[in-house]
Amino acid sequence: ETGVTQTPRHLVMGMTNKKSLKCEQHLGHNAMYWYKQSAKKPLELMFVYNFKEQTENNSVPSRFSPECPNSSHLFLHLHTLQPEDSALYLCASSQDTGVDNEQFFGPGTRLTVL
Amino acid sequence: LAKTTQPISMDSYEGQEVNITCSHNNIATNDYITWYQQFPSQGPRFIIQGYKTKVTNEVASLFIPADRKSSTLSLPRVSLSDTAVYYCLVNDNNDMRFGAGTRLTVKP
Repeated sequence: ETGVTQTPRHLVMGMTNKKSLKCEQHLGHNAMYWYKQSAKKPLELMFVYNFKEQTENNSVPSRFSPECPNSSHLFLHLHTLQPEDSALYLCASSQDTGVDNEQFFGPGTRLTVL
Repeated sequence: LAKTTQPISMDSYEGQEVNITCSHNNIATNDYITWYQQFPSQGPRFIIQGYKTKVTNEVASLFIPADRKSSTLSLPRVSLSDTAVYYCLVNDNNDMRFGAGTRLTVKP
């Protein structure tokens, strides 16, 4: 049990749908992250939040919209996605964004865009 | 950000020691070296982190030479459950960039 949960675990959506991914951490951490892992590609950092404030956006398309209402919850709102957005979306958290802070990952949401 | 290079895959047998070497020729003064393990359909899991010389924990050891241009993750007496992808990262903040990793297969 990593202390980071993600829902749903699997999601299939059409290109015109709107859906949201949810991440919750029970570790008392201040920083949270969204990563994307596509088949045959390295894990890609998408967004970083520290104390609910977004500190990094790695040129992610606007069809991905993150939301961090508090330090324990992180959402990724999805709309008008493309088939190439199909991937495993991983959430992680760490105590803060310092260099020596271990990141704890959730189990991921397997997203398929039809 | 410093780029890392590691073997794409490695095979080993149960009970053997496995050493995975990562090259990071452009590592900067403030960079740390971190290793993660990932099983299929799961998120990565932190294994070990170091800055220089040697670090050891209950899972692995990390050897870093004086020039810090490479590092070696050492897994003692691997078992079948150690079959996974192992990622070497160099990070100067928490903006971690994962490479392709090394796919380790442990055989009986």
